[in-house]
Amino acid sequence: AQSVTQLGSHVSVSEGALVLLRCNYSSSVPPYLFWYVQYPNQGLQLLLKYTTGATLVKGINGFEAEFKKSETSFHLTKPSAHMSDAAEYFCAVSDPNTGNQFYFGTGTSLTVIP
Amino acid sequence: DAGVTQSPTHLIKTRGQQVTLRCSPKSGHDTVSWYQQALGQGPQFIFQYYEEEERQRGNFPDRFSGHQFPNYSSELNVNALLLGDSALYLCASSPIDRNEVEQYFGPGTRLTVT
Repeated sequence: AQSVTQLGSHVSVSEGALVLLRCNYSSSVPPYLFWYVQYPNQGLQLLLKYTTGATLVKGINGFEAEFKKSETSFHLTKPSAHMSDAAEYFCAVSDPNTGNQFYFGTGTSLTVIP
Repeated sequence: DAGVTQSPTHLIKTRGQQVTLRCSPKSGHDTVSWYQQALGQGPQFIFQYYEEEERQRGNFPDRFSGHQFPNYSSELNVNALLLGDSALYLCASSPIDRNEVEQYFGPGTRLTVT
């Protein structure tokens, strides 16, 4: 069974400050890992993914995430927050053996303060 | 190239009624998954369709059923609606290329049950 925990349902940062959104997972096998962003009244947009290989992955809009197997974490970061980053962020995992079902965390709402 | 499309955008139903939601996958995608996203929560997997068959199912009652057509489009049907079925219903499609593991999400259908 797989599950995702996102610590902090709400995160506020100042414009230009570091963004750090936390994600920890539980999986019986090394999973595939994803971060999605959701803007109000819209669907989910893929930010980045980890499958295999390099543990630091870069995504769109300046975001990146690092897979740490020993910590079962996949935290999302961005060096400098922009007002347009304000949105809901979801971490998700899937089983590489099936890849069918995505398990999502409960989300983190990011507020960017001008 | 159109992405994942869903219809309708919004609808309001009464308890006990039945509803059908529709999804057209992204071009080049053959697998369709449905998710329910309650307010303030992450998406929950309902089921997935591939080759016109339900391949995997989440923890949802039989009131939730689906169908996939030869052109890969899909329908989600919910019978005997309950107030708790009010949510954003998201459709996601996956590529025929099995090396691409991410799911692409549509904008969703907002269902309100009164």
